[in-house]
Amino acid sequence: NAGVTQTPKFQVLKTGQSMTLQCAQDMNHNSMYWYRQDPGMGLRLIYYSASEGTTDKGEVPNGYNVSRLNKREFSLRLESAAPSQTSVYFCASSVVETQYFGPGTRLLVL
Amino acid sequence: GEDVEQSLFLSVREGDSSVINCTYTDSSSTYLYWYKQEPGAGLQLLTYIFSNMDMKQDQRLTVLLNKKDKHLSLRIADTQTGDSAIYFCAEKGNAGNMLTFGGGTRLMVKP
Repeated sequence: NAGVTQTPKFQVLKTGQSMTLQCAQDMNHNSMYWYRQDPGMGLRLIYYSASEGTTDKGEVPNGYNVSRLNKREFSLRLESAAPSQTSVYFCASSVVETQYFGPGTRLLVL
Repeated sequence: GEDVEQSLFLSVREGDSSVINCTYTDSSSTYLYWYKQEPGAGLQLLTYIFSNMDMKQDQRLTVLLNKKDKHLSLRIADTQTGDSAIYFCAEKGNAGNMLTFGGGTRLMVKP
């Protein structure tokens, strides 16, 4: 039982490049989330998926798209990366009361 | 939107108690959480409290909730160097499963 896994762990992009961050959970959770973490700002919700087949915007969705591929997998795509998207990205999944987090993807956009 | 505030930094000596405080604005909060983040790692759930409770104790951790003042605290007894980390407070409202996080409190434990 691996919990929530994320790939890649680290990534460096040039401005304008695209990439997809992958997230998978093996806990049979319905809800999944993408957050970004910036220094001193806690975690801010980018997008979430309450159940398979649905996605909704969070607090900071601009510049991102998501896909809930199936119950296990929830991917985050940057179509044209910008330096402002340099951050640490966390995926999470949840049962009713509790969210469980992955180890994070550290992204640097030059 | 709703807001969660924490102080940035706390320094204590090994063996002392640590108290990390958090305030929030959402009067419809259902659950409140404490997460721990060690350097380079993800967030680890430490404990959570339902909004109709005043206190929850789990080994060295004590959570106190003052719902009237919208104030949450985490007390760590006999603080150890391994407790050095960033601690995040978070709250869940009554619509959906989304959490609102505070900015985190960095706890430094001196030997």
